[in-house]
Amino acid sequence: GAGVSQSPSNKVTEKGKDVELRCDPISGHTALYWYRQSLGQGLEFLIYFQGNSAPDKSGLPSDRFSAERTGGSVSTLTIQRTQQEDSAVYLCASSEGTVANYGYTFGSGTRLTVV
Amino acid sequence: GDSVTQMEGPVTLSEEAFLTINCTYTATGYPSLFWYVQYPGEGLQLLLKATKADDKGSNKGFEATYRKETTSFHLEKGSVQVSDSAVYFCALSNFNTNAGKSTFGDGTTLTVKP
Repeated sequence: GAGVSQSPSNKVTEKGKDVELRCDPISGHTALYWYRQSLGQGLEFLIYFQGNSAPDKSGLPSDRFSAERTGGSVSTLTIQRTQQEDSAVYLCASSEGTVANYGYTFGSGTRLTVV
Repeated sequence: GDSVTQMEGPVTLSEEAFLTINCTYTATGYPSLFWYVQYPGEGLQLLLKATKADDKGSNKGFEATYRKETTSFHLEKGSVQVSDSAVYFCALSNFNTNAGKSTFGDGTTLTVKP
């Protein structure tokens, strides 16, 4: 597609429920990244995919968080048993090559609110 | 580990004023440096980048020069507009230590008043 697409744009969920966040990267971008942006905070790295593999998942905050990528394209970030501290904007980005050379193209994010 | 320190905000300027947002970094080796901009209600957009020392990145009237001797990448614009009001993030990417991810500063909020 023309840009990185994320859905839903907003999600309100009850504490304890599971949520799935979707990211559709730019066609042909092999690298995909998830970041989290909490209110008034900087960006927190979560996980990085190269193709369908995740060489670096060091930023996932707990085992309630998981992510997968299929077909080298769409990625899903799943949060199980959501907690209020999970409330944040979840940003997905893709890169056409090494991020050090190209930088990221970000989606508009999913604003997650856990009530 | 790698780190990025940005000038604390918020920054408020009048239209046509000169803008500087300071950014310094700590990293091993030779990282690439970036500025991203986040307009209200939107995701981050890459504003400019520099991949080696003494490179100057520029876009939309903004400039930043990669200064290895002072480990800095300050963002400048000669004459800001109301439409430049946004949050600006400095970031680095270090292929040798973190091939897949970037390290971001905390962001600096800029408000430009007419």
